[in-house]
Amino acid sequence: KAGVTQTPRYLIKTRGQQVTLSCSPISGHRSVSWYQQTPGQGLQFLFEYFSETQRNKGNFPGRFSGRQFSNSRSEMNVSTLELGDSALYLCASSPAQTANYGYTFGSGTRLTVV
Amino acid sequence: AQSVSQHNHHVILSEAASLELGCNYSYGGTVNLFWYVQYPGQHLQLLLKYFSGDPLVKGIKGFEAEFIKSKFSFNLRKPSVQWSDTAEYFCAVSGVNTGGFKTIFGAGTRLFVKA
Repeated sequence: KAGVTQTPRYLIKTRGQQVTLSCSPISGHRSVSWYQQTPGQGLQFLFEYFSETQRNKGNFPGRFSGRQFSNSRSEMNVSTLELGDSALYLCASSPAQTANYGYTFGSGTRLTVV
Repeated sequence: AQSVSQHNHHVILSEAASLELGCNYSYGGTVNLFWYVQYPGQHLQLLLKYFSGDPLVKGIKGFEAEFIKSKFSFNLRKPSVQWSDTAEYFCAVSGVNTGGFKTIFGAGTRLFVKA
């Protein structure tokens, strides 16, 4: 079956712009989580969605937002981009809203802010 | 608040050497524990997980981990590493928070296995 699909794979944006990243989870998976991965900070939790509801949020400014659609696909948006937002953004899906299953990760979207 | 600490950032071993990567977590409630691996150029993938039962869990490719509740630890082991085990390894803990869950990752340990 298809894995977690993230689009686009690469993005270059200018400071001050906004960006939208997309994630399609594995078919049947209803929980989607987003992470920011950087060499210095590792994987930082952004948010988790289940059945179109944000269930948990990490310690990121309000410029970072997301949503989940009825088909479980998810998007995250970053407004007013800063240089420090350059990172690999990972989406991970899980079958249900329990931690027992673990995540299946996508390949990520590499965002570069110039 | 949850936190995860991985003891070593970089480990270099020769093939056939034994591996143990340390992981300690901080969380006040029930946790589920994971090890993920990221091979060069590949995405993160689940190596093994613990959520209940036998504290010694076995994963793919000969890896195992032991949950020691009293020490808040979940160390990863492999008796004999291979060159193909060169990768970055992440310990992760997931605790149940009100209204949902989130998984917190350690900073990762880069393992390099010399052929």
